[in-house]
Amino acid sequence: KAGVTQTPRYLIKTRGQQVTLSCSPISGHRSVSWYQQTPGQGLQFLFEYFSETQRNKGNFPGRFSGRQFSNSRSEMNVSTLELGDSALYLCASSSTRNTEAFFGQGTRLTVV
Amino acid sequence: KNQVEQSPQSLIILEGKNCTLQCNYTVSPFSNLRWYKQDTGRGPVSLTIMTFSENTKSNGRYTATLDADTKQSSLHITASQLSDSASYICVVSLGVSQAGTALIFGKGTTLSVSS
Repeated sequence: KAGVTQTPRYLIKTRGQQVTLSCSPISGHRSVSWYQQTPGQGLQFLFEYFSETQRNKGNFPGRFSGRQFSNSRSEMNVSTLELGDSALYLCASSSTRNTEAFFGQGTRLTVV
Repeated sequence: KNQVEQSPQSLIILEGKNCTLQCNYTVSPFSNLRWYKQDTGRGPVSLTIMTFSENTKSNGRYTATLDADTKQSSLHITASQLSDSASYICVVSLGVSQAGTALIFGKGTTLSVSS
């Protein structure tokens, strides 16, 4: 059974640009959550999607957005990139809400 | 404020020794508590998940305990191996509500096992 797949693995962008990250959950999983991980702040919750609907959102500015498609794949978009957006972005999927979450390997975003 | 605090921040032990990592939380409503292991540059991997009614759960050499009254959890690693070197993250899940659900993360304990 394939795990959670995140693409791309690494990304370098310039300040002011926008970026889209992709997450393919484990087959059959309907819940997808996104997290930002930085050395100083640790892991922080961005948002959760279940059945194409955003169920919860963390304390991040509106530049961070996401969506989920009918096949449960999810994308996260960050507009007007700032240097502080440099981080490891992790996606996790679970079969239903609040069950065990399986993480992908993450996308390492560097903003220069 | 929902918070998860872990101690110590970092730990160095000799291979073969045991160690215990601590997690204190102030999260409401509580649904479950999870321990994850994260190797450098990789995504976290689940070790254990415990609900309110569970006191102990084991996964091989890893044993997690939960005291819901004092809101404390610990992760005990027995007979440590070099491959145990990683960050261990305590995560508390909020109870499901109409607003949704979210995970509250501790900042992790970095464990280094040396030979």
